[in-house]
Amino acid sequence: DAGVTQSPTHLIKTRGQHVTLRCSPISGHKSVSWYQQVLGQGPQFIFQYYEKEERGRGNFPDRFSARQFPNYSSELNVNALLLGDSALYLCASSALPRDSAYEQYFGPGTRLTVT
Amino acid sequence: AQSVTQLDSHVSVSEGTPVLLRCNYSSSYSPSLFWYVQHPNKGLQLLLKYTSAATLVKGINGFEAEFKKSETSFHLTKPSAHMSDAAEYFCVVSAPFGNEKLTFGTGTRLTIIP
Repeated sequence: DAGVTQSPTHLIKTRGQHVTLRCSPISGHKSVSWYQQVLGQGPQFIFQYYEKEERGRGNFPDRFSARQFPNYSSELNVNALLLGDSALYLCASSALPRDSAYEQYFGPGTRLTVT
Repeated sequence: AQSVTQLDSHVSVSEGTPVLLRCNYSSSYSPSLFWYVQHPNKGLQLLLKYTSAATLVKGINGFEAEFKKSETSFHLTKPSAHMSDAAEYFCVVSAPFGNEKLTFGTGTRLTIIP
């Protein structure tokens, strides 16, 4: 089975632009989470979606939004890009949101560079 | 609220010697704890997890971790380091139920000396 896939792999944008990042979870996984990893730091939680509903949101501005589609894939959108948005964006999927022993499986990430 | 503190930003060991990566946690409730590894230009891989079962947890590639509630610690160990262990390691905490938010530590970079 394929793991979590993300597209694109790399992206270069200019300040003020908008970007859309995409994620396909492992087959059968209904939960998708997004994380931002700035160089030299640990990943920071942005959003979690389950069955197309937002179940959690981290401490990020409203410029960040996301959605989940009927096939459980997900998009992360960032408006009005700032230099500080340059980071590796990671998507993770899991089978059940209420299982205490759940595991999150991470994709390879999208490297966003804002110039 | 929950958080983890990784006590060393960088650890260097010689190949074949033991590895110790230290992590302390803070949580208002009984936490789930994880160690993830990130190799350069690769995604995060789960090494092991603690979810209130046995306090000594065995993971992949010979790693293990011990949950010590009295010390609020969850240190990662391996008896003998291998060159392929060189990577960034993250200690992670999450709420036990109904919340998938993972809170990551700042990471420990493990260097293996030949």
